[in-house]
Amino acid sequence: GAGVSQSPSNKVTEKGKDVELRCDPISGHTALYWYRQSLGQGLEFLIYFQGNSAPDKSGLPSDRFSAERTGGSVSTLTIQRTQQEDSAVYLCASSLGGSYSNQPQHFGDGTRLSIL
Amino acid sequence: AQSVAQPEDQVNVAEGNPLTVKCTYSVSGNPYLFWYVQYPNRGLQFLLKYITGDNLVKGSYGFEAEFNKSQTSFHLKKPSALVSDSALYFCAVRRYSGAGSYQLTFGKGTKLSVIP
Repeated sequence: GAGVSQSPSNKVTEKGKDVELRCDPISGHTALYWYRQSLGQGLEFLIYFQGNSAPDKSGLPSDRFSAERTGGSVSTLTIQRTQQEDSAVYLCASSLGGSYSNQPQHFGDGTRLSIL
Repeated sequence: AQSVAQPEDQVNVAEGNPLTVKCTYSVSGNPYLFWYVQYPNRGLQFLLKYITGDNLVKGSYGFEAEFNKSQTSFHLKKPSALVSDSALYFCAVRRYSGAGSYQLTFGKGTKLSVIP
């Protein structure tokens, strides 16, 4: 597609369950980012993938959070044993990376996660 | 540490009047600054960026921003506001997080309401 695609758009789950969120970046974009947007908290960086390099995981809030990027394209963010404080909108973005590090990021519409 | 601040949580302006959304930054070295807009239930959309060159940067939808080094500001402006400009606006600064990884640090956002 033309833009960054995220699925599902909404996810409601019970506390303690695992969830997987998917991101399909723009074709040709080597950089992929995950952010968390909580009400009144702005955007919180979670993790960054650039090509085949080791990901920058410095923003992951706990070891319950992990992410993969397969084949340099689609990424999955996994949250294990979800807690109510994990409720937020999870945004994915992609950009031309590497030496194009000043290029803008293109965002998907996010997954709204609600933990009951 | 690189950071941005958006001092106003909300800005109200009458349709047809000029609008300003404020952003100040704190960086070491030359700043790379960005503005994004977020409409309800959507991801962020890139408006404009300042890397180097002219202090007045023109972007999408008639927006512009003025880079002021002495005041460490990067305010977003538009000469004549439209009701459709009502949205959440984020200022961001690029920061280096090590090992060749660049991230964006976002402000907390300013809600712009344009009143008909």
